[in-house]
Amino acid sequence: SQQGEEDPQALSIQEGENATMNCSYKTSINNLQWYRQNSGRGLVHLILIRSNEREKHSGRLRVTLDTSKKSSSLLITASRAADTASYFCASPELTGAGSYQLTFGKGTKLSVIP
Amino acid sequence: DAGVIQSPRHEVTEMGQEVTLRCKPISGHNSLFWYRQTMMRGLELLIYFNNNVPIDDSGMPEDRFSAKMPNASFSTLKIQPSEPRDSAVYFCASSLAGGSGANVLTFGAGSRLTVL
Repeated sequence: SQQGEEDPQALSIQEGENATMNCSYKTSINNLQWYRQNSGRGLVHLILIRSNEREKHSGRLRVTLDTSKKSSSLLITASRAADTASYFCASPELTGAGSYQLTFGKGTKLSVIP
Repeated sequence: DAGVIQSPRHEVTEMGQEVTLRCKPISGHNSLFWYRQTMMRGLELLIYFNNNVPIDDSGMPEDRFSAKMPNASFSTLKIQPSEPRDSAVYFCASSLAGGSGANVLTFGAGSRLTVL
């Protein structure tokens, strides 16, 4: 099942502009994570935000979480060509086995044009 | 630490052949995950081990897929017999199991499988 869904599917911006990606999820969560995937590589963890946090910063990244709307956003400020990648949100989903499974959305493909 | 190491990086095989993908997790991590990524379905969790024990294999597509973790530093994902629809990138990830599902995963570079 797809717990998180990113929006938009693809985003193209000029270097220096800000990029905003959104994620919606279905069930109650206690945390949400964002990952980045460069072409042909594995995913890399960017940031984790807990359900009792509304906003979190890490360098040029700003993540917000609205548990009432079951949504999160990832803002990359002053984008660089090196930010070109796919970005995924991921949230834990309790499985029938009683364990937590980290479920990923399909991602937003960001292209930053130099 | 060299990170999560997967092999092979690329595998091209013919339908019906056996495929074995390998993973070495980060030393000290006690959870290991196998994911499959395709354009159509995105990232899907296949199986998850905790302390070398399979906890949840509900994502394994069918009996043709099997996974083992004989020790804390090695895991395999086997497909026998392989089919063209198994073509995908297979990722291994490891983590220190956190409470309340707060696992932060470290992914390997992936194994790109093409079944002709």
